[in-house]
Amino acid sequence: AQSVTQLDSQVPVFEEAPVELRCNYSSSVSVYLFWYVQYPNQGLQLLLKYLSGSTLVKGINGFEAEFNKSQTSFHLRKPSVHISDTAEYFCAVFKEQAGTALIFGKGTTLSVSS
Amino acid sequence: GAGVSQSPSNKVTEKGKDVELRCDPISGHTALYWYRQSLGQGLEFLIYFQGNSAPDKSGLPSDRFSAERTGGSVSTLTIQRTQQEDSAVYLCASSLFNRGGGAFFGQGTRLTVV
Repeated sequence: AQSVTQLDSQVPVFEEAPVELRCNYSSSVSVYLFWYVQYPNQGLQLLLKYLSGSTLVKGINGFEAEFNKSQTSFHLRKPSVHISDTAEYFCAVFKEQAGTALIFGKGTTLSVSS
Repeated sequence: GAGVSQSPSNKVTEKGKDVELRCDPISGHTALYWYRQSLGQGLEFLIYFQGNSAPDKSGLPSDRFSAERTGGSVSTLTIQRTQQEDSAVYLCASSLFNRGGGAFFGQGTRLTVV
């Protein structure tokens, strides 16, 4: 069975600083990888996804993530964060084959302060 | 519909009562998922429906929880004899059979058991 580990439960950072939210997964088969964002009191929104091809994927709001197959990682990065990026971020994985649910990590709370 | 719709948005119930939570997926999405989100616990997978296949119930925490999906569309999550530990936000999501687009989430039902 696949699993997702988000290595940091909370990441405090100052505005305009770079940030990296770490995600590792385990799976014996090929997977699709996703990052979702949940702003305070809002629903989950897809931030970006990796299906195949280029290992660097770009998402909304200036975020990007890099798929590293050898390290089974899919870390999320942003070169300069804003106060409005304060939210909870979830890494998730689908097995490519149908028949399994989307499995989430426990989330990382990004807190951006001025 | 344009998005995943869940009802009610909030539900307060007395301990021991049964509750039903409803999810209307995006039209044409064959896969439907239920998750539970509790503070500090991330997203806990509950149950997954894919077309006419038998649902994956491996995430249901006890036999008090059940779900059905009628006509391959609307789904109802039922919690019998609710307990205080059932208090959480229950999220529904749907996706196409080819999940490369990711799953789309509803706004959730906040359940409070008093």
